Amino acid sequence: DVKVTQSSRYLVKRTGEKVFLECVQDMDHENMFWYRQDPGLGLRLIYFSYDVKMKEKGDIPEGYSVSREKKERFSLILESASTNQTSMYLCASSENGQGFYGYTFGSGTRLTVV
Amino acid sequence: GENVEQHPSTLSVQEGDSAVIKCTYSDSASNYFPWYKQELGKRPQLIIDIRSNVGEKKDQRIAVTLNKTAKHFSLHITETQPEDSAVYFCAAPSGGYQKVTFGTGTKLQVIP
Repeated sequence: DVKVTQSSRYLVKRTGEKVFLECVQDMDHENMFWYRQDPGLGLRLIYFSYDVKMKEKGDIPEGYSVSREKKERFSLILESASTNQTSMYLCASSENGQGFYGYTFGSGTRLTVV
Repeated sequence: GENVEQHPSTLSVQEGDSAVIKCTYSDSASNYFPWYKQELGKRPQLIIDIRSNVGEKKDQRIAVTLNKTAKHFSLHITETQPEDSAVYFCAAPSGGYQKVTFGTGTKLQVIP
């Protein structure tokens, strides 16, 4: 029944490492999103993609990049992990069409950078 | 871009009482307002949404109201139960491509 899958539930990485977070959806959705969730700050958009190989910056893209080579997969890359990137990362997808549609979220990846 | 403010940040109610969470938005062109529920350790899930052509929508014990003139919308939960305890997020559109901006969340605790 799981429709949006994030590859890791917990990750611990060292400062300076390159980190890959993977997200796969099986609903044939056009739009995919990466959010980070921090207490008191809600969900903040890092990057999103509305089509294969297309990407747009969200509200807090600094220190991150993304890749979408296939429709079902959207990867978040931390080029050089830092301690302030310790957070819960949530992937989401939604379909396109007239008007807006709700998001389907993955279970999240809790990343700790030490 | 869109600015969404959500209040209160925490809310405690007795089981059986009602709970109300309020959000305001800044973009008068916004026309879609979803609410998500996130139980502890789980993913956020869409529980109800409203579009700007209606003022209220109900689904069993939950309802959402929209006041476009004042640019605010609210989530109402009646006859609260312990399983309603969770963090609730409101959201509003922020540009194209199905992007939304989320509120900062309300942690609801229902006391048995």
